[in-house]
Amino acid sequence: NAGVTQTPKFRVLKTGQSMTLLCAQDMNHEYMYWYRQDPGMGLRLIHYSVGEGTTAKGEVPDGYNVSRLKKQNFLLGLESAAPSQTSVYFCASSYSREGTQHFGDGTRLSIL
Amino acid sequence: DAKTTQPPSMDCAEGRAANLPCNHSTISGNEYVYWYRQIHSQGPQYIIHGLKNNETNEMASLIITEDRKSSTLILPHATLRDTAVYYCIVRVVNTGFQKLVFGTGTRLLVSP
Repeated sequence: NAGVTQTPKFRVLKTGQSMTLLCAQDMNHEYMYWYRQDPGMGLRLIHYSVGEGTTAKGEVPDGYNVSRLKKQNFLLGLESAAPSQTSVYFCASSYSREGTQHFGDGTRLSIL
Repeated sequence: DAKTTQPPSMDCAEGRAANLPCNHSTISGNEYVYWYRQIHSQGPQYIIHGLKNNETNEMASLIITEDRKSSTLILPHATLRDTAVYYCIVRVVNTGFQKLVFGTGTRLLVSP
């Protein structure tokens, strides 16, 4: 049972490039979340999804897009990467809105 | 949204109890207190949560004051592997969605 798996684990981009981060969960969870964590700070919610085909904005959604075409996958896209998006990105999932959130091990993204 | 206040760092000797305090003086009656921890370079890990009563599981105990304005996470026999950043979080429910607001947490260092 893998839980929440994030790919890739590391990536370096140039300013203006685009990329997609993939989050996959095998726990049949309805809710999925994308957070970012900057050095010395707590996690901030970027976008979330309450079920297949749905997405919603979190605290810091600007510059990101998401999609939830399949229940088990939640994709985070950067259309035109900026140095301010250098961060560690965490994906999480939960069975219900009250349920415990389970986190992946993160994607470390550097934008030059 | 209720805010939490935690000391930035604490030390604990291996084998001793670690008591991590958290203030949440503006908590509402239907808001839960959650604790997560983040071991270096990993995703956050759920520890425990509670509403009014004290709670205990295989990882820790949670003591919530009668007025609910503060709580304490207790690791009864701290090990070196408990060295991590510990987040005290008050769960916010907004239009049906559960949002976890992470602060900067307490960095616990367990020493031999």
